[in-house]
Amino acid sequence: SAVISQKPSRDICQRGTSLTIQCQVDSQVTMMFWYRQQPGQSLTLIATANQGSEATYESGFVIDKFPISRPNLTFSTLTVSNMSPEDSSIYLCSVEVAGYGYTFGSGTRLTVV
Amino acid sequence: GENVEQHPSTLSVQEGDSAVIKCTYSDSASNYFPWYKQELGKRPQLIIDIRSNVGEKKDQRIAVTLNKTAKHFSLHITETQPEDSAVYFCAATPLNNDMRFGAGTRLTVKP
Repeated sequence: SAVISQKPSRDICQRGTSLTIQCQVDSQVTMMFWYRQQPGQSLTLIATANQGSEATYESGFVIDKFPISRPNLTFSTLTVSNMSPEDSSIYLCSVEVAGYGYTFGSGTRLTVV
Repeated sequence: GENVEQHPSTLSVQEGDSAVIKCTYSDSASNYFPWYKQELGKRPQLIIDIRSNVGEKKDQRIAVTLNKTAKHFSLHITETQPEDSAVYFCAATPLNNDMRFGAGTRLTVKP
């Protein structure tokens, strides 16, 4: 199975600032997925990041708020921009590995104050 | 797009009893159905999955059944133990695509 390194693991940020979350995979993967998990809730897909093309965003998520980079097949970043307390959540990246299913990074616990 | 519904939202069982969690999905193109266990403060961990060409899969005390015609699948945990206490999520996806998750079931196993 793939190993995903996600960082930072947690952060406390001031409202109005931005935070960039990184995910590094130990193998090449075609698609990387970014999810948000609000406290006590399920996982909601933010966007799918494909290498060499713009990310595909789900309804309710926009590129200006959550810009994503995917410079190569092992790395992606998600930025949470102009943060407000409502952005306080856990953010997770995920990849599909053939034969193993989908695995998650360790998550980034974001608190906006 | 895919819509996954999961029931019950909470489930409490006595140690040694069985637990069953049920999910339904809407997109007939979905062909991969994983189940994740999430302990407090940790990432979701894949515990079992099933593909649409299989009706049932078992791994020790955990089993998953799939009814493609009715578009529902279920997780069965037998001989529950306190360490089975966690939140369980079902998901559905056409492979090589994004996963859609159910709302989750908080399972409590009472010793």
